[in-house]
Amino acid sequence: DIQMTQSPSSLSAFVGDRVTITCRASQSISSYLNWYQQKPGKAPSLLIYAASSLQSGVPSRFSGSGSGTDFTLTISSLQPEDFATYYCQQSYSTPITFGQGTRLEIK
Amino acid sequence: EVQLVESGGGLVQPGGSLRLSCAASGFTFSGYAMHWVRQAPGKGLEYVSAISSNGGSPYYANSVKGRFTVSRDNSKNILYLQMGSLRPDDTAVYYCARDPNPGGQYRLYYFDYWGQGTLVTVSS
Repeated sequence: DIQMTQSPSSLSAFVGDRVTITCRASQSISSYLNWYQQKPGKAPSLLIYAASSLQSGVPSRFSGSGSGTDFTLTISSLQPEDFATYYCQQSYSTPITFGQGTRLEIK
Repeated sequence: EVQLVESGGGLVQPGGSLRLSCAASGFTFSGYAMHWVRQAPGKGLEYVSAISSNGGSPYYANSVKGRFTVSRDNSKNILYLQMGSLRPDDTAVYYCARDPNPGGQYRLYYFDYWGQGTLVTVSS
């Protein structure tokens, strides 16, 4: 199984900050990496697919990069509605696996 | 507007069974593969199962293989997850989710729309 490891596990930041979350795969997954946002009590929502493609309707302050084993999700200027938990997920091979999540909190 | 609405969750004893449903609307259900993903209380996301657009090629995570069965009724636009031999570690919110490939036979294995989830609690 491909293990997905996110860092940090939690993060505090101010509105307006630039934030980067990292996701590392235990083996190369090419660009088969996706990012989701989940707010408390809600279902996850897709932000980025194929490592760097922005899902329709997602604000342009979100961006993704990377390939192989190392990936990043960047939020260029944090907005109040961005405080949530973020998950990476590999779609390279089954079993499909997710990172453990990064909780982004208001400082 | 794409909508996925799960139902059928509840409290069940260990060893029991439950059938979850996911009613789809706002898109051509028969054209898309579908998935189930679960989330234990306070925990991360765990992939459970997939089914192709025509109801073929079911896939199961090892943790549920032999106990869960995924199916769909394209005439009713409903996805199902039949769960049996339930264990306390099956306790979770179960989400149905759509695969974004409109072809449906080849699964991309990521999820562009999610339902709101239904809670399954396995406890005596």
